[in-house]
Amino acid sequence: AQSVTQLGSHVSVSEGALVLLRCNYSSSVPPYLFWYVQYPNQGLQLLLKYTTGATLVKGINGFEAEFKKSETSFHLTKPSAHMSDAAEYFCAVSGGFKTIFGAGTRLFVKA
Amino acid sequence: EAQVTQNPRYLITVTGKKLTVTCSQNMNHEYMSWYRQDPGLGLRQIYYSMNVEVTDKGDVPEGYKVSRKEKRNFPLILESPSPNQTSLYFCASSPDRIPNNSPLHFGNGTRLTVT
Repeated sequence: AQSVTQLGSHVSVSEGALVLLRCNYSSSVPPYLFWYVQYPNQGLQLLLKYTTGATLVKGINGFEAEFKKSETSFHLTKPSAHMSDAAEYFCAVSGGFKTIFGAGTRLFVKA
Repeated sequence: EAQVTQNPRYLITVTGKKLTVTCSQNMNHEYMSWYRQDPGLGLRQIYYSMNVEVTDKGDVPEGYKVSRKEKRNFPLILESPSPNQTSLYFCASSPDRIPNNSPLHFGNGTRLTVT
């Protein structure tokens, strides 16, 4: 069975600091992995998706994710946080007809 | 504009009063799905549809019904709503019948309160 664990329900960083949001997955087959972002009062938007064979995946707004098969991780990073990055972030794993989402990590950015 | 449209955005109702939340997509997508979002639980799948007239249960289907009579529409029906169905609901679609590596496109959500 597939599952996703996001470590930390809340993460707070200062503007300009590194953003690191953690995601570990469980999948019996090569995983289809995604990160989505949800801004207040909006639906989820795709941030990036894993491409088979890649270790580093680039997404929108300067975000990227590193795939580590040995650690079953797909952590999301951004070198320098901006106030506009404040949102909730969801890691997801897809397989067949189902997409399983993590519980989400809310990112706060302090001025 | 390519989009998934849900209506209404906000809905307050009373226990037992049947309601329908509509979802429509204009992208000719094969796959559609309903999720509910609750704090600390992320998004949980209620029902999905991979084709017209073909639907199946997700992880939390109890108390919900769906139909897919046309490709573009996928309404969510609560025959007898209860307070534990108070939640934020999202409709999503994907171009492929089996999403796998195709991302989901989400509507803006429907916040339902059942008193």
